[in-house]
Amino acid sequence: LAKTTQPISMDSYEGQEVNITCSHNNIATNDYITWYQQFPSQGPRFIIQGYKTKVTNEVASLFIPADRKSSTLSLPRVSLSDTAVYYCLVGGFNDYKLSFGAGTTVTVRA
Amino acid sequence: GAGVSQTPSNKVTEKGKYVELRCDPISGHTALYWYRQSLGQGPEFLIYFQGTGAADDSGLPNDRFFAVRPEGSVSTLKIQRTERGDSAVYLCASSPGDSGGPFDTQYFGPGTRLTVL
Repeated sequence: LAKTTQPISMDSYEGQEVNITCSHNNIATNDYITWYQQFPSQGPRFIIQGYKTKVTNEVASLFIPADRKSSTLSLPRVSLSDTAVYYCLVGGFNDYKLSFGAGTTVTVRA
Repeated sequence: GAGVSQTPSNKVTEKGKYVELRCDPISGHTALYWYRQSLGQGPEFLIYFQGTGAADDSGLPNDRFFAVRPEGSVSTLKIQRTERGDSAVYLCASSPGDSGGPFDTQYFGPGTRLTVL
């Protein structure tokens, strides 16, 4: 699995947009980028996945530049309930051993 | 529908004791995973089941750890002669196992917090 680097923590305020950038310089051609979210005392939860360009769902957007060496998770108009740890993972088919790293702790303040 | 459930939610035991942690996956999911999460760290892979068999147990730290899934549904993680360093949250996840796409999405349970005194 490709190694990823993301910030340890980020602070934000309610209503703001939060952007978390993940570096994955050694991403392979067949690799996808997946983000999980983990609230305190809960297991991680899948939020979004993409291969290139932009992916959007009801929770977040994922921006992937052409070289795919990084990606940015965008959380629009965050609320207090978005306070969580966000993990960036990179891997391909049959990469069932999810490698989480330490993630980015996002703290949203009122 | 029901998600992944794990029991107990908390387990406190003494050093040297034996513990069992149970996982009930989402009905119909053929793949089941165990992870361990220490404070401030992301989950670390322990073992992966496809059906009843352990397809990959490379993450188990030593032979004190063992897991079973006899009927291809419920799984039990067993830890013998517990040590203080075993204290962590043990997470279970399941996935459809049909490899319909990358990272056959894993659905996690809430975890069991194990404390070894």
